Amino acid sequence: NAGVTQTPKFQVLKTGQSMTLQCAQDMNHEYMSWYRQDPGMGLRLIHYSVGAGITDQGEVPNGYNVSRSTTEDFPLRLLSAAPSQTSVYFCASRSRQVMNTEAFFGQGTRLTVV
Amino acid sequence: AQKVTQAQTEISVVEKEDVTLDCVYETRDTTYYLFWYKQPPSGELVFLIRRNSFDEQNEISGRYSWNFQKSTSSFNFTITASQVVDSAVYFCALSEALSSGGSNYKLTFGKGTLLTVNP
Repeated sequence: NAGVTQTPKFQVLKTGQSMTLQCAQDMNHEYMSWYRQDPGMGLRLIHYSVGAGITDQGEVPNGYNVSRSTTEDFPLRLLSAAPSQTSVYFCASRSRQVMNTEAFFGQGTRLTVV
Repeated sequence: AQKVTQAQTEISVVEKEDVTLDCVYETRDTTYYLFWYKQPPSGELVFLIRRNSFDEQNEISGRYSWNFQKSTSSFNFTITASQVVDSAVYFCALSEALSSGGSNYKLTFGKGTLLTVNP
């Protein structure tokens, strides 16, 4: 069972560089989301998608872009990395229409921007 | 707006002590679900339990138990006879509708409680 797969697991960027964090799920979940986790801040929602072609902003969207061309994939793009984006990033998926289903998380990406 | 509050930022106990992690939530929905997740030092997020708003029965699973009280909007988690392996960050989460009466749902997380169990 692959579940939710995130790549890479670790990444170091220089300020101003761009990169894409990849997320793929094989459970046919409509709902996918990206969170960032910072010390003392818990999990904060960056962007989410309720299906292919539909995305929306979460709590902390600035500096990040997303797109959802397929049900399976939900990449997160950093256009110009900043040190404030140093964090651990989690991708999650869950069924959109079933309120009681838990979210399934990827293993996380630890990003450092220097 | 929906909100989950975990007032305890860090808790430290000695092995074999019982410990309770608090979770208080706010929602306007009449039907909702609550969840607990565990994040051990390895970093992954592990689902522990879900509870729906119509079921206020306490649940016990081994050394873990959950107390849901709708009257106080709380969903507390107790670990009995704690062990070093219980050391982790624990998150409480609320499943909420994305829009009033809608059928799209998302999870709102609390900030987490870091539990350290010392030998």
